[in-house]
Amino acid sequence: ETGVTQTPRHLVMGMTNKKSLKCEQHLGHNAMYWYKQSAKKPLELMFVYNFKEQTENNSVPSRFSPECPNSSHLFLHLHTLQPEDSALYLCASSQGMSQGYEQFFGPGTRLTVL
Amino acid sequence: QQQVKQSPQSLIVQKGGISIINCAYENTAFDYFPWYQQFPGKGPALLIAIRPDVSEKKEGRFTISFNKSAKQFSLHIMDSQPGDSATYFCAAMEGNFNKFYFGSGTKLNVKP
Repeated sequence: ETGVTQTPRHLVMGMTNKKSLKCEQHLGHNAMYWYKQSAKKPLELMFVYNFKEQTENNSVPSRFSPECPNSSHLFLHLHTLQPEDSALYLCASSQGMSQGYEQFFGPGTRLTVL
Repeated sequence: QQQVKQSPQSLIVQKGGISIINCAYENTAFDYFPWYQQFPGKGPALLIAIRPDVSEKKEGRFTISFNKSAKQFSLHIMDSQPGDSATYFCAAMEGNFNKFYFGSGTKLNVKP
């Protein structure tokens, strides 16, 4: 595998379920990000991790819980989600945190909350 | 409040034509402006980027025009091809931290 991979690619869950999204980067990068992409809306940055430390939590509801066990893996734990949380969740990574370091995106997980 | 406003929401262009997508921002502290291209089923990928010290940057058929005084920037795709059909996002970043504010996207359809 190369680049940034995300699993699962599609997920349907009920409002009472608990599920996790997984992201893995094979680029040797130090920073990883979670974004939410909703139709006709700007990409929303959710969380940022740099060297496994969370550096940004963009006022995301607590029903979303990120985990970064190492620089290559990033998880997004989901519980008691709402239908409005249905969206494409994108993971990205970059070599560094400063400007000019390109963010490489994964293909996303399409989440549907029933 | 949306930091970066993008238009149009969708665009249809004939093959060989010029595609133009516009973005506007308010925060004068933004100092890095990338454009991303996203194909269905894929994540966004960096296409081209500009800093406010230049008014234009060209890479192949893709050109960014930047108007600092108007706080606007645009993407021009010359000789548009069906393979360019994708969703394009503009973005802006402030300072030395890799946090982007994205536009809402433009879905481009280039007809053969």
